[in-house]
Amino acid sequence: GAVVSQHPSRVICKSGTSVKIECRSLDFQATTMFWYRQFPKQSLMLMATSNEGSKATYEQGVEKDKFLINHASLTLSTLTVTSAHPEDSSFYICSAKRSTAQHFGDGTRLSIL
Amino acid sequence: DAKTTQPPSMDCAEGRAANLPCNHSTISGNEYVYWYRQIHSQGPQYIIHGLKNNETNEMASLIITEDRKSSTLILPHATLRDTAVYYCIVRGENSGGSNYKLTFGKGTLLTVNP
Repeated sequence: GAVVSQHPSRVICKSGTSVKIECRSLDFQATTMFWYRQFPKQSLMLMATSNEGSKATYEQGVEKDKFLINHASLTLSTLTVTSAHPEDSSFYICSAKRSTAQHFGDGTRLSIL
Repeated sequence: DAKTTQPPSMDCAEGRAANLPCNHSTISGNEYVYWYRQIHSQGPQYIIHGLKNNETNEMASLIITEDRKSSTLILPHATLRDTAVYYCIVRGENSGGSNYKLTFGKGTLLTVNP
């Protein structure tokens, strides 16, 4: 069964809205989670590493003030896309490491109108 | 992490074995080979990983050459539901934090045909 839960699975909202995406590890603690973004017909691109109890580490070119990450507990990381615009429309995916492998959520398809 | 090279696409007949190759000629001694797959509009799914020895689980087998410069993922009896993009990723097993991040290439689109 799934070991990482992501919610919501799909969001459609107006430009300028802020959207929060949740990523939960099920039945295990994850001190580190990862957030990826995937545009159509492209591969996954790492956006940031979410660290429990400390600031997230962002990849080069990712705006930390636009993509707010909070990892307040050992089982939950959230990604907030602030003031979203159409160019932020994408497939957002989180992952968490359990044992020797990373496990991914089912993704959130974000559509900004 | 070492770079990997995979064919962009492959076809396989349903019920036959699917053999997906991956080249990782610059792999270093402490780097593992991981395989994930992504079915359309879903998150990636972990398949298998290995260091030196061949590995097998309920999903697939991983064959790593003796020099570790290439590997093959084998799906023994492919089904239509195995149609997906398969990613071969090489990554070191350093301790904690961002060292666990995965770098995805373009992968191989495996199409299983009826």
